[in-house]
This record gives sequence, C-alpha cells and structure tokens, in this order.
Amino acid sequence: DTAVSQTPKYLVTQMGNDKSIKCEQNLGHDTMYWYKQDSKKFLKIMFSYNNKELIINETVPNRFSPKSPDKAHLNLHINSLELGDSAVYFCASSQKTGMGAKNIQYFGAGTRLSVL
Amino acid sequence: QKEVEQDPGPLSVPEGAIVSLNCTYSNSAFQYFMWYRQYSRKGPELLMYTYSSGNKEDGRFTAQVDKSSKYISLFIRDSQPSDSATYLCATSYSGAGSYQLTFGKGTKLSVIP
Repeated sequence: DTAVSQTPKYLVTQMGNDKSIKCEQNLGHDTMYWYKQDSKKFLKIMFSYNNKELIINETVPNRFSPKSPDKAHLNLHINSLELGDSAVYFCASSQKTGMGAKNIQYFGAGTRLSVL
Repeated sequence: QKEVEQDPGPLSVPEGAIVSLNCTYSNSAFQYFMWYRQYSRKGPELLMYTYSSGNKEDGRFTAQVDKSSKYISLFIRDSQPSDSATYLCATSYSGAGSYQLTFGKGTKLSVIP
C-alpha cells in the first residue's frame, strides 16, 4: 500500500503541450510538496501546500501551477511544455510544519518527464 | 555559496569498507539534519534524522553533526552492495520555515562485491 503515489511514472510529450501529474498521499499528512530533480540529480523544491494552502512558491515559471483539491492530493499542471522541463518530478508529504516540528518528508517514486 | 554543499562523487568502495559521506552548510540557523538514500529510478527515502549536534547510530549507519564547523557526516560500516545508491543530505530550520528542506546535490556510492 504505497504511502505517496504519483501518476504517471513516465510522461513523454511534445513541446508546447499541456500535461498534469497527480499525487496522492494516504499518510494523513498536512503538508505536500513538489520537487524537481534535474539530470545532475539536484533536488529542488518547487511548491509546498499546507492543508490546501500554498506556503512555498519558489522561483518557477508560471507555466507550472499546483492544485490541491484536498490535503491528500497535490497535482501539478504544466502548460506549454519546454525542452528544459525534462526532469524527474517528485511529490512528497510531511506530517506537520511550524515551530519545533519534525519535517520528515516522504517521497513518491517520481514522474520522469521527457519533452521532445 | 550554496546553502548545502556535497561532493557528488561518484564514490566506489569494496564490499566491507567503511564509507564516509559528508556535507557542509552555510546557514547556522539550520537545526535539523537528515540523510536520504535514493536508489536508481526511485524516490528518496529517509535514512537518518538528527537534531542539533551529536551522533546518532542505527545499525551500520552513524550520522554525525558538528554545528561548530557546520559539518554533517554519514558513516556506513561493513558496506554492502545493497548500499549502492545516491545519498542526499538535507537540512531545515526550527520554527518558521521549518517545512522547507534544503538538499545537497547527493553523492553516488557504489559498493563493489
């Protein structure tokens, strides 16, 4: 029973297309995240939602839009895909945020996006 | 200067060796320190978690934090081929902003049978 699940695992698409990646966690966590891991394996935060509210929005093109219908789901929609968007995208979740909280994040298996 | 620096390797060791993986960080406000292990084509999984300075041991793994020198280490004793993975160090604040992890670039480790 996967704790953090992402779909699809692989996504191959043409430049200019719009695509979505879905993420669900069954851990009862309040906070969810999207990370991008580039070809050099550097893992960089993109967005974070706490209880359906956006709390981190790093410098990402506004072609990327996260959507959180409820606290168990955080989807990532990407418009007008570009070659440079090719990467592995990881969803993660953690129990709490805030003062003294342990921020142990649990990751999904990743979505490998290839833009041709 | 990046907030968390980590030598990307690759690091190749024979089975049974002691492995030492290291990170340095620049922000003295970091209080929580983690090591994640990432197997090829998988997501990172938490391996070790420490708060502030000191050592923490879990089986063959020991995490060490020296806040005075802003240095984080992970030691693997009796390394096994199954330890072959990329190891990422991560840090976070205590308090406001503690939801945000800052990762190192990861060190790729290969343990040769």
